Amino acid sequence: AQSVAQPEDQVNVAEGNPLTVKCTYSVSGNPYLFWYVQYPNRGLQFLLKYITGDNLVKGSYGFEAEFNKSQTSFHLKKPSALVSDSALYFCAVRETGSARQLTFGSGTQLTVLP
Amino acid sequence: DVKVTQSSRYLVKRTGEKVFLECVQDMDHENMFWYRQDPGLGLRLIYFSYDVKMKEKGDIPEGYSVSREKKERFSLILESASTNQTSMYLCASSLNFPGTEAFFGQGTRLTVV
Repeated sequence: AQSVAQPEDQVNVAEGNPLTVKCTYSVSGNPYLFWYVQYPNRGLQFLLKYITGDNLVKGSYGFEAEFNKSQTSFHLKKPSALVSDSALYFCAVRETGSARQLTFGSGTQLTVLP
Repeated sequence: DVKVTQSSRYLVKRTGEKVFLECVQDMDHENMFWYRQDPGLGLRLIYFSYDVKMKEKGDIPEGYSVSREKKERFSLILESASTNQTSMYLCASSLNFPGTEAFFGQGTRLTVV
């Protein structure tokens, strides 16, 4: 069975500082990995994904994520945080060969302090 | 842009009522999903459908059923609503390819009283 762990419920960072939101995964085969963001009372918006190839993936709004197969991690990063980045972030995994089950982590609330 | 539309943003229903949550997507996606979101638990899959009239149970199907009579529409049914089904419900759709992202509706916040 596939699973995702987001070890931090809450991350606080000062505006202008780099941010990292952590994600580790478990699958029996090769993973497809996704990051989504959710603003209050809204649905989830897709940020970026890793399918294959370069381990550093760039996505929307200046976000990037690094796939590390040996550590089974897919941490979300941004070099300089904005107050408007404050939101709930979800990591998700899907095994290759299956388009059906997309498993989400529990979410990390990011707060960027002015 | 892909659009996934859920019929209601907010719903208040009484215990024991039959509740229908409707979802429509406009991108001819094969897969459609219903998730439930609760604080600290993330998103949990209730049901998904990979074709018209086809469905599979997700992680928490108890107390729910689904219907997919047309490719663009996927309905979630609470046969007899209970207070522990008070939650945010999110519909999503995707192509039938593992590397594709899912697109989400805006969510329905259901309160059962």
